[in-house]
Amino acid sequence: QVTLMESGPVLVKPTETLTLTCTVSGFSLSNAKMGVSWIRQPPGRALEWLAHIFSNDVKSYSTSLASRLTISKDSSKSQVVLALTNVDPMDTATYYCARISDCSRTSCITAAFDYWGRGTLVSVSS
Amino acid sequence: DIQMTQSPSSVSASVGDRVIITCRASQGLNKWVAWYQQKPGEAPRLLIYGTSSLQSGVPSRFSGSGSGTDFTLTISSLQPEDFATYYCQQAHNFPIFTFGPGTKVDIK
Repeated sequence: QVTLMESGPVLVKPTETLTLTCTVSGFSLSNAKMGVSWIRQPPGRALEWLAHIFSNDVKSYSTSLASRLTISKDSSKSQVVLALTNVDPMDTATYYCARISDCSRTSCITAAFDYWGRGTLVSVSS
Repeated sequence: DIQMTQSPSSVSASVGDRVIITCRASQGLNKWVAWYQQKPGEAPRLLIYGTSSLQSGVPSRFSGSGSGTDFTLTISSLQPEDFATYYCQQAHNFPIFTFGPGTKVDIK
């Protein structure tokens, strides 16, 4: 059974760094074509893709947030970590991790997120 | 960056209605267009991938089509459990992914 679970702080102060962890089960982060993205959703608003990490540790980032984002993984712990620096109240959102199971660094079969975590709501406020 | 729009932004419909949601891109896309359903308080659920392939377990009343800049999600006969917000997603500039702004389907 494939599951993803997000964890991290509920409240972060402006200018701090937000660090979130996605713990996966039912598949291996080392398997070829497995990758995990982080996606966020401000309250009442649309989904926004943030970052993706491939099984070979190659990473990609949203062009608008690339300077503030770092994604990493520890396959032995089945975890993918997202760091967002210098947070602002506009970063208040539910943060999801989601899996793509059929993409290498250069090509995909579906390029679609087939499993999602339940999300974690992060508020940025002083 | 490729910009995505969805129309309508919201639609009121009745059970049994046919609902068509359109996703339009600022430039032509490859086949990597997906559709998701999201209910309040829940994570999105994959419905359609590769423009027109139905994800396992998704009812056949959902279908997808399109090419170039215009893609559609059709619900052939709306059911009570289908009232939700629907998002398109593209990966034309892989490995960059983009979601549309969403279409809310509510009860008429």
